[in-house]
Amino acid sequence: DTAVSQTPKYLVTQMGNDKSIKCEQNLGHDTMYWYKQDSKKFLKIMFSYNNKELIINETVPNRFSPKSPDKAHLNLHINSLELGDSAVYFCASSQTVNQPQHFGDGTRLSIL
Amino acid sequence: KQEVTQIPAALSVPEGENLVLNCSFTDSAIYNLQWFRQDPGKGLTSLLLIQSSQREQTSGRLNASLDKSSGRSTLYIAASQPGDSATYLCAVAGNTPLVFGKGTRLSVIA
Repeated sequence: DTAVSQTPKYLVTQMGNDKSIKCEQNLGHDTMYWYKQDSKKFLKIMFSYNNKELIINETVPNRFSPKSPDKAHLNLHINSLELGDSAVYFCASSQTVNQPQHFGDGTRLSIL
Repeated sequence: KQEVTQIPAALSVPEGENLVLNCSFTDSAIYNLQWFRQDPGKGLTSLLLIQSSQREQTSGRLNASLDKSSGRSTLYIAASQPGDSATYLCAVAGNTPLVFGKGTRLSVIA
């Protein structure tokens, strides 16, 4: 069983489109995260949710909107996609902020 | 602002060698430090987590140490194997969100 699963694995789309990435964890964790890994492989946190509540919102354009319908899901919606949004987006979860994080395999987003 | 630096950026060693990866951080007010492994095209796998009150953690051939006062951590890999080839990332949790280093890309040659 996959602990943290993201869909889709690959996403290729045109500039200006709106797209969503879904994330689900079956670990019973309370905290979920979205990270962005750029072309230089640098990993940076975007958002963190605890029990469906937003607790971390880094300096991310408001075109990015996370949504947590329940504590097992944290989806990421991106409006008006730009070339600079091309990256790998990782979802992760942990029981608390002080426990190890478990990562999904990533969603590779390419903007044409 | 927390900054995490990993040295070296890349490392190539023959199979069987013991090796050390280094991580340094600028703000010692941390909750914990984690070491991750990332394989190409995959997500991150948590290897070891050291709480701020701990000095080291061990798992199999891996040993991670933490010196909070000097802002340093090391990941020691004993008897390296080709299967250890991956990128190793250090990340620090504190008052700021989890901050990652840029990683050390390790190649273990058979």
